[in-house]
Amino acid sequence: SQTIHQWPATLVQPVGSPLSLECTVEGTSNPNLYWYRQAAGRGLQLLFYSVGIGQISSEVPQNLSASRPQDRQFILSSKKLLLSDSGFYLCAWSTGTTSSYEQYFGPGTRLTVT
Amino acid sequence: ELKVEQNPLFLSMQEGKNYTIYCNYSTTSDRLYWYRQDPGKSLESLFVLLSNGAVKQEGRLMASLDTKARLSTLHITAAVHDLSATYFCAVDVLYGGSQGNLIFGKGTKLSVKP
Repeated sequence: SQTIHQWPATLVQPVGSPLSLECTVEGTSNPNLYWYRQAAGRGLQLLFYSVGIGQISSEVPQNLSASRPQDRQFILSSKKLLLSDSGFYLCAWSTGTTSSYEQYFGPGTRLTVT
Repeated sequence: ELKVEQNPLFLSMQEGKNYTIYCNYSTTSDRLYWYRQDPGKSLESLFVLLSNGAVKQEGRLMASLDTKARLSTLHITAAVHDLSATYFCAVDVLYGGSQGNLIFGKGTKLSVKP
């Protein structure tokens, strides 16, 4: 069966510090991968998605970046965090086939920028 | 612009009562997904509706899809406290550069009280 991992689970970082969040998927090959952010009490904001190694699409301009160095690894980074980067970051995967675009979510990383 | 609108955004129910959450969308799609999010947790897939007229049921929840009306409903029967959560609907992006992605509604926060 497929599983998705995210780490760390929680993170407290000062403004201006760098960020690296990691997401890995097991049990599937060539998944589509997604990074979402959810501000407190709000909906989901799609940040990045990837359909393959090295292929990253950005949905909104921001000081975050994403990379996909391996087929089942997706990394979210920032060189300098802003207060507005605080939130709940969710990684998700889908099979990439056209029969269903159902996405499966990881446990999330709660980031607090102080 | 693709839009997914949920109604209501907040719902306070008494245990034992019935209610329906509505999800309207603006794009031509015949596939819709319902997710549940418990406070502080990630999203969990509830239902995948892949065709017009699809109906799925799990316990006290039943979801249906009318692609002609671009409407999905999530019906709650005899609500219990354990159903308290935020419910999201999402629709496929079938065409264009974002094909394969999902567009999420803002979520309906359900609170079931004794």
